[in-house]
Amino acid sequence: AQSVTQLGSHVSVSEGALVLLRCNYSSSVPPYLFWYVQYPNQGLQLLLKYTSAATLVKGINGFEAEFKKSETSFHLTKPSAHMSDAAEYFCAVRRAAGNKLTFGGGTRVLVKP
Amino acid sequence: NAGVTQTPKFRILKIGQSMTLQCTQDMNHNYMYWYRQDPGMGLKLIYYSVGAGITDKGEVPNGYNVSRSTTEDFPLRLELAAPSQTSVYFCASSPSRSGITNQNTGELFFGEGSRLTVL
Repeated sequence: AQSVTQLGSHVSVSEGALVLLRCNYSSSVPPYLFWYVQYPNQGLQLLLKYTSAATLVKGINGFEAEFKKSETSFHLTKPSAHMSDAAEYFCAVRRAAGNKLTFGGGTRVLVKP
Repeated sequence: NAGVTQTPKFRILKIGQSMTLQCTQDMNHNYMYWYRQDPGMGLKLIYYSVGAGITDKGEVPNGYNVSRSTTEDFPLRLELAAPSQTSVYFCASSPSRSGITNQNTGELFFGEGSRLTVL
């Protein structure tokens, strides 16, 4: 079985500062990993995904994430936060050959002007 | 440009009532999912379907039923509503990987959600 742990249910950053959201996974087989974003009163949308190719994955809106097998991590970063980044972010995992995603508990990002 | 459409957006039920959450997608995706979202708990998979006529249980199926008679539609039925079913429900769909019919791409396309309150 796979599982995902997101450290920190809330993160507050200043506009222009680094955004770092932490995600650790547990999987007995090589995983696929995903980051999704949810804006208020909307469904989730895909930010980026790791599918066993390059370990550094670039996504939309300037976000990127690095897969580190030794640390079982897939942390999400953005060099400079923008007010529009205020949202909830979810890390998710699935088996490479699977069809079901398992989501973490989410991290809500607040951006201060 | 509809994507995944869920109805209703809001509903209040009394304990013991039944209802159906509707979900339809116009992207011809084989895979469809129902999740529930509770604060701080992320999303939990209720049921999913890999194609018309095929459904399977997720993590939290108790109290729910689904059917998939067409590729487009995947309704979620709540029988005998309970306060524990108060939640936001999301339907999602996913396309098959190119050339691989029994696996999806991993990208889920979500509806806007249905907020259900059971009193």
